[in-house]
Amino acid sequence: DAKTTQPNSMESNEEEPVHLPCNHSTISGTDYIHWYRQLPSQGPEYVIHGLTSNVNNRMASLAIAEDRKSSTLILHRATLRDAAVYYCILSLSSGSARQLTFGSGTQLTVLP
Amino acid sequence: GAVVSQHPSRVICKSGTSVKIECRSLDFQATTMFWYRQFPKQSLMLMATSNEGSKATYEQGVEKDKFLINHASLTLSTLTVTSAHPEDSSFYICSAGVGMETQYFGPGTRLLVL
Repeated sequence: DAKTTQPNSMESNEEEPVHLPCNHSTISGTDYIHWYRQLPSQGPEYVIHGLTSNVNNRMASLAIAEDRKSSTLILHRATLRDAAVYYCILSLSSGSARQLTFGSGTQLTVLP
Repeated sequence: GAVVSQHPSRVICKSGTSVKIECRSLDFQATTMFWYRQFPKQSLMLMATSNEGSKATYEQGVEKDKFLINHASLTLSTLTVTSAHPEDSSFYICSAGVGMETQYFGPGTRLLVL
């Protein structure tokens, strides 16, 4: 699987937007970009995914670079409950559920 | 969204005993489920891929005779840690694929082997 690179940690103030970057320079044309997050002592939670176009849902927005070699997860107004480890993962959609390879992720700290 | 449950949420057992962990998809059918293990302050590591009605596929370095996986129905997969030892103490997490692109994860099972 193609590799992703994320900063180890980031801080944000409560109620401010947060932009979490991810580099994936070796992405292939059929790799989807997934974001999951994990709160302490819980299983990962799906956040968003996309292929080429920017995506929005109730949790976040995903901005994908035109060359697809990087992407940014955007939390529009961070809350204390958004403090978690955020994982950026590439996954090939191949007609069946595809295993996910987790990297080390970005630990997001939200300051009150 | 899709819900995946795990039971038990935490278990403490003596060294040498076996422990079974259940993973259920509550509101959808999952032909494929995945089992992960996570040690403290580390990321999730995939252990095996479980396919309904067939043998599980194990990742390199994971002992199939120690971690028995059964996926007997479209809503249930089980992981049995046989002859557990303290080094098997970890956070075990399952996930189920929804469609081709998204996985939903269970809340995890914390295993402590004394």
